[in-house]
Amino acid sequence: GENVEQHPSTLSVQEGDSAVIKCTYSDSASNYFPWYKQELGKRPQLIIDIRSNVGEKKDQRIAVTLNKTAKHFSLHITETQPEDSAVYFCAARYSSASKIIFGSGTRLSIRP
Amino acid sequence: KAGVTQTPRYLIKTRGQQVTLSCSPISGHRSVSWYQQTPGQGLQFLFEYFSETQRNKGNFPGRFSGRQFSNSRSEMNVSTLELGDSALYLCASSLGANQDGYTFGSGTRLTVV
Repeated sequence: GENVEQHPSTLSVQEGDSAVIKCTYSDSASNYFPWYKQELGKRPQLIIDIRSNVGEKKDQRIAVTLNKTAKHFSLHITETQPEDSAVYFCAARYSSASKIIFGSGTRLSIRP
Repeated sequence: KAGVTQTPRYLIKTRGQQVTLSCSPISGHRSVSWYQQTPGQGLQFLFEYFSETQRNKGNFPGRFSGRQFSNSRSEMNVSTLELGDSALYLCASSLGANQDGYTFGSGTRLTVV
């Protein structure tokens, strides 16, 4: 069925270090993979997305990679800062329908 | 331009009652999706509307329903409320069906007592 698995559920890294969050999806026909950041008490906000015809995309300290064969995609945050502390959600759009399915979220904490 | 607007922001209801939540998408956006967010379950898909038609429905009981109006505003209704319906209900809009780039509203926090 339609499913997006996300790991880890919690992640704590030292300020300045890198953080990696990994997701897998079940439908090989999925074609769009967004990542959302949700700060405490706020709405989820799109931070980066990637389409199935691209293997990697970068935006400053954030990058997303996609392995279509393995049905994996990952979020990489480099040089982490305190304001990166939030819950991050990966998601996938199933081409058989237009709905976007979300992973269960990763709570990222940046230690000073 | 204005973002996605959800009303009300907070609601407290009693078990057995019903509730209606409203979502006004970004101007020009014709697709609205609804999600239920709970601490243990993350973001669970409820339904998606485009041009007043429900395109997709998640795995929720029939007590959860919705509709979309000709101006793209959407409402969702939950009847016979249960304690487990307490959650943050988020709507997101996009330009059209299969369009990327969801923008979320701030949500309606429903508490059922």
